[in-house]
Amino acid sequence: GESVGLHLPTLSVQEGDNSIINCAYSNSASDYFIWYKQESGKGPQFIIDIRSNMDKRQGQRVTVLLNKTVKHLSLQIAATQPGDSAVYFCAENPYGQNFVFGPGTRLSVLP
Amino acid sequence: DTEVTQTPKHLVMGMTNKKSLKCEQHMGHRAMYWYKQKAKKPPELMFVYSYEKLSINESVPSRFSPECPNSSLLNLHLHALQPEDSALYLCASSQGPGTGEAFFGQGTRLTVV
Repeated sequence: GESVGLHLPTLSVQEGDNSIINCAYSNSASDYFIWYKQESGKGPQFIIDIRSNMDKRQGQRVTVLLNKTVKHLSLQIAATQPGDSAVYFCAENPYGQNFVFGPGTRLSVLP
Repeated sequence: DTEVTQTPKHLVMGMTNKKSLKCEQHMGHRAMYWYKQKAKKPPELMFVYSYEKLSINESVPSRFSPECPNSSLLNLHLHALQPEDSALYLCASSQGPGTGEAFFGQGTRLTVV
């Protein structure tokens, strides 16, 4: 389940299940989006990106969906593994000038 | 080489000290960034350098002073910091500002005492 509060939103999934992490972005001028994975004590690690002229892009075990109408991005992780436990951030590039991060979601994989 | 290298990994400094954070990339990227990240928060943009020129300063206090000596190096000079400046400082680079995959370093964990 998912919880939101003073802490990072957390998504808990069973090992082997699929995970879906959502992100609402703010700027309709953004034309490029990235999903990052950040493990404790490390910098953000690139997972997958998508340009605004696409609505879906697939990688290895990951799929990103983009809905520009409602400014929504999602990251799907297939067959979630313990090594997927981390904080996941979406990032957008308003006006193509820099990268702005969403609030993040902590993914917790249960054995 | 798809690495962004940051030094030092950890830094403890007093409020009267002067120190510098360093960042290096050899991917030929022309945009480099400094972000600040507090615990349980997303990275927040501080500065963007585009083609070695400062293009964005997100109203960062002057006690943080960025410098881009060449296209591969980015420094962040620190002076008279406050305890609330303690955070993880992340450097990133991309092909151009806001374009192409942005690669991040492992960060410098800064503690101001």
